[in-house]
Amino acid sequence: GQQLNQSPQSMFIQEGEDVSMNCTSSSIFNTWLWYKQDPGEGPVLLIALYKAGELTSNGRLTAQFGITRKDSFLNISASIPSDVGIYFCAGQPYPYGGATNKLIFGTGTLLAVQP
Amino acid sequence: EAQVTQNPRYLITVTGKKLTVTCSQNMNHEYMSWYRQDPGLGLRQIYYSMNVEVTDKGDVPEGYKVSRKEKRNFPLILESPSPNQTSLYFCASSLSRTALKQYFGPGTRLTVT
Repeated sequence: GQQLNQSPQSMFIQEGEDVSMNCTSSSIFNTWLWYKQDPGEGPVLLIALYKAGELTSNGRLTAQFGITRKDSFLNISASIPSDVGIYFCAGQPYPYGGATNKLIFGTGTLLAVQP
Repeated sequence: EAQVTQNPRYLITVTGKKLTVTCSQNMNHEYMSWYRQDPGLGLRQIYYSMNVEVTDKGDVPEGYKVSRKEKRNFPLILESPSPNQTSLYFCASSLSRTALKQYFGPGTRLTVT
């Protein structure tokens, strides 16, 4: 089935550094979502992107829907210790059938921030 | 507070002993779903439900059952658990079948020995 390749798998950075991660696919996606999972919790939606080229911010987080519709990027500026967690991308594949909110999830990027 | 709750949060059981993980949401959401999370594999959908009495298989349904008798509840049933079902399980809900924003529960860590 369709897969999303997320990279890097993990990042260990210093507080204050900027972070970039991405998600790629061999097929087209209609929608991209970025989630964060805190330790011991379920994923929480950070940003949703609905059209190619879209750039959306949520505080220090900025995400972009790639022009080719096969990738998406998430940037975190000036990281702080509470940014620690696993970041997942998720996409709605095109074309889709059945439940229209079928999502494919990436494998996650583990972010560790050193104070 | 709008939320998705799951019980239990942690469960250790033995092979073959039937178990149920409950999921409940208080947002009047139509769509509910179960995922399992395994290292290196991300989240994979087990079953989903578009409304009461409407359920369908996700990507990894083998060994699982679900039911949706009420809108707010969507229990996951393992009739005969096996060690390969050891995983972290998440329930999620969204407003409707067209709403992509899914809200996740806190997770249930299941160990089958």
